[in-house]
Amino acid sequence: DTAVSQTPKYLVTQMGNDKSIKCEQNLGHDTMYWYKQDSKKFLKIMFSYNNKELIINETVPNRFSPKSPDKAHLNLHINSLELGDSAVYFCASRHTGVAYNEQFFGPGTRLTVL
Amino acid sequence: GQQVMQIPQYQHVQEGEDFTTYCNSSTTLSNIQWYKQRPGGHPVFLIQLVKSGEVKKQKRLTFQFGEAKKNSSLHITATQTTDVGTYFCAGPRGGSYKLIFGSGTRLLVRP
Repeated sequence: DTAVSQTPKYLVTQMGNDKSIKCEQNLGHDTMYWYKQDSKKFLKIMFSYNNKELIINETVPNRFSPKSPDKAHLNLHINSLELGDSAVYFCASRHTGVAYNEQFFGPGTRLTVL
Repeated sequence: GQQVMQIPQYQHVQEGEDFTTYCNSSTTLSNIQWYKQRPGGHPVFLIQLVKSGEVKKQKRLTFQFGEAKKNSSLHITATQTTDVGTYFCAGPRGGSYKLIFGSGTRLLVRP
């Protein structure tokens, strides 16, 4: 059973299009994240939700809009895609209030904007 | 703002050689975590260190947390090809929700 799943795994699209990435976790965690990993492998946090409430919103263009319909799901919608949006996007989750703060990552979505 | 830097950026070793990556934070950390990302894969949690001066071992991997809780290291003894990947340290910023990841050290192992 996959703990954190993302769809799609690959996404190739034209500049200016709008696309969505979906994430689901079956770990019962209360906090979920979106990260962007660029070609140099830097992992940058974008957003975080705790119990469906937005708690972290980094300096991300407002073309990116996260949505958490429930604790187990966190989606990312991107409007007017640009070349610089090409990256691997990782979803992650964790359970707060426990001794170990480890985050569980999804397999990633490789977004290529042409 | 808080920064977490890692050195070296890349390390290419012969199988059987040792490997060390160093992590330095601009601020004191309440804890530090280490993750491994295999090529084409996703980051996977390895360990968390909490106490000043803490040392933990996982088989051939030894993790240390500095006395001042601003630096950490990961040492791999006798590397194997299965150790290939990028190793990240990460520390919480502000409250516990946000992790700042280091720049990562990419390890390549020649068989």
